[in-house]
Amino acid sequence: DSGVTQTPKHLITATGQRVTLRCSPRSGDLSVYWYQQSLDQGLQFLIQYYNGEERAKGNILERFSAQQFPDLHSELNLSSLELGDSALYFCASSPGAGGFLETQYFGPGTRLLVL
Amino acid sequence: AQSVTQPDIHITVSEGASLELRCNYSYGATPYLFWYVQSPGQGLQLLLKYFSGDTLVQGIKGFEAEFKRSQSSFNLRKPSVHWSDAAEYFCAVTTSGTYKYIFGTGTRLKVLA
Repeated sequence: DSGVTQTPKHLITATGQRVTLRCSPRSGDLSVYWYQQSLDQGLQFLIQYYNGEERAKGNILERFSAQQFPDLHSELNLSSLELGDSALYFCASSPGAGGFLETQYFGPGTRLLVL
Repeated sequence: AQSVTQPDIHITVSEGASLELRCNYSYGATPYLFWYVQSPGQGLQLLLKYFSGDTLVQGIKGFEAEFKRSQSSFNLRKPSVHWSDAAEYFCAVTTSGTYKYIFGTGTRLKVLA
């Protein structure tokens, strides 16, 4: 158990809809990262937040957005969903702002299915 | 363009046999290299990482990896595989000053009893 929690575990929705994925980092960690793992795109870094501020942006679509709240939990919002957004979405956390140079601790993921 | 290649999609080994998983990268700057393991239904777990210094890196669970700049490789090895090592393994690369974190496509390891 990494100490990172993600809810929900599974989500089924329809095209055009909007969903919110939630992540609670390990106690004391200030950075949260979001990743997408899909069959055709593989594993991709989406975005990093550090202590409430956006720190780094990867291959995140404009239809997707994220935020980190004062209690350090983070939410990933996916809107105007398409079939191709079906994927496993991981959250990870790390203690500081070191990004990829720090050890990141991954949650178990949220599996999203868009029908 | 930066890329990470894991040539083997699937590998099957017998328990107790040695293991080598290949990873080749193409990166303009000095790379920072990582190996992660993903067990079924789990998130990724960092096995080891290489930033600089000794090119042979020791990680958790008895894994090691060797950075070979001349071959642009960072292969993962384990002398004796256990059944619990069955999982998917990802190589990843980044470099200082960028926010590009590129993962390979993964190698799925099956361990025969």
